[in-house]
Amino acid sequence: DTAVSQTPKYLVTQMGNDKSIKCEQNLGHDTMYWYKQDSKKFLKIMFSYNNKELIINETVPNRFSPKSPDKAHLNLHINSLELGDSAVYFCASSQEVGSGQPQHFGDGTRLSIL
Amino acid sequence: QKEVEQDPGPLSVPEGAIVSLNCTYSNSAFQYFMWYRQYSRKGPELLMYTYSSGNKEDGRFTAQVDKSSKYISLFIRDSQPSDSATYLCAMTLTGGGNKLTFGTGTQLKVEL
Repeated sequence: DTAVSQTPKYLVTQMGNDKSIKCEQNLGHDTMYWYKQDSKKFLKIMFSYNNKELIINETVPNRFSPKSPDKAHLNLHINSLELGDSAVYFCASSQEVGSGQPQHFGDGTRLSIL
Repeated sequence: QKEVEQDPGPLSVPEGAIVSLNCTYSNSAFQYFMWYRQYSRKGPELLMYTYSSGNKEDGRFTAQVDKSSKYISLFIRDSQPSDSATYLCAMTLTGGGNKLTFGTGTQLKVEL
């Protein structure tokens, strides 16, 4: 039983397209996150939601829009994809939004822009 | 300069060796410190979690935090080939929505 699952695992698309990545967690957690891992393996937070409410919105282009239909799901929609968007995107969840709550990660979505 | 610095390696050790992995950080407000292990093509997996300064041991793994020096370490005893992975340190401060700040990761290879 996968705790944090992301779809698709791989996404190859053309520059300028719009695409979505989905994330679901079955841990009963209240808080979910999106991270971006670049080619040098550096992980950086993009967004977090607590019980469908946006909590963290780092300096991310407006082309990225997260949506949380319920607390078990957090999707990421990306408009007008650019070459620099190529990366691995990880979804994570934690029981609560409180500081230090351990975060559990999915296995990532590998996005390649042609 | 990044908030959290970590030697990227690669670090290659023989099976059975003691491995020492380290991170330094600049923000003295960090209070919670974690080590994640990431296998190739997988997500980070939480290994160790420490609050404030001190040591924590779990099986072959020991995490140390020295807040006065802004320095954290992960020790792996009796290293195994299955320990070959990238090790990421991460930290967060009180408040701030549980935002994790990661190091760049150290790639470890344990050879037979």
